Amino acid sequence: EIVMTQSPATLSVSPGERATLSCRASQSVSTNLAWYQQKPGQAPRLLMYGASTRATGFPARFSGSGSGTEFTLTISSLQSEDFAVYYCQQYNNWPPLYTFGQGTKLEI
Amino acid sequence: EVQLLESGGGLVQPGGSLRLSCEASGFIFSTYALSWVRQAPGKGLEWVSAIGARGGDTYYADSVKGRFAISRDNSMSTLYLQMSSLRAEDTALYYCAKDTPGVLGLFDNWGQGTMVTVSS
Repeated sequence: EIVMTQSPATLSVSPGERATLSCRASQSVSTNLAWYQQKPGQAPRLLMYGASTRATGFPARFSGSGSGTEFTLTISSLQSEDFAVYYCQQYNNWPPLYTFGQGTKLEI
Repeated sequence: EVQLLESGGGLVQPGGSLRLSCEASGFIFSTYALSWVRQAPGKGLEWVSAIGARGGDTYYADSVKGRFAISRDNSMSTLYLQMSSLRAEDTALYYCAKDTPGVLGLFDNWGQGTMVTVSS
């Protein structure tokens, strides 16, 4: 099983500041890496895929990078609606054994 | 608009069984793989099981293998998860999730979830 490790567990940032979230895979997942955003009481929402492609509806202040085992999600200028929990997920396995990181809570 | 509506959750005793359903609309159901993903209270996301578009291929996390069975009825646009030998650690909100076109395991739409509580 590929273990996904996110850091930090909690990130405290002020609106307007930059946030950098990290995700590490225990073995290479190429660029088969997604990020999801989850707000309280809501289902997760696909934010980023292929490590660096934004999903529909997310603005350009969200960017992703990385390949292999090291990945980063950057939010360039935090808005109030960005405070949420962010999960990375690898979808590189075949047969399927998809795994998520434990999440990073982005708080004000 | 894609919609996924889970149902069937509830309170069940340890060792008991439960069947979850996920009714889908807004896309051609029979052409997409689907998964169940769960989230224990206050915890992160855990992929549980996946099924291919035609239903012939099924996959499970080790934590549920041999106890859960995923299936689908393409004529009814409905996904199922039959859960048996339930344990306290199966307590979670269960989401159904749809694969992105052409990318297995990338979930572009999620339901709102159905809560399963395993307790005596």
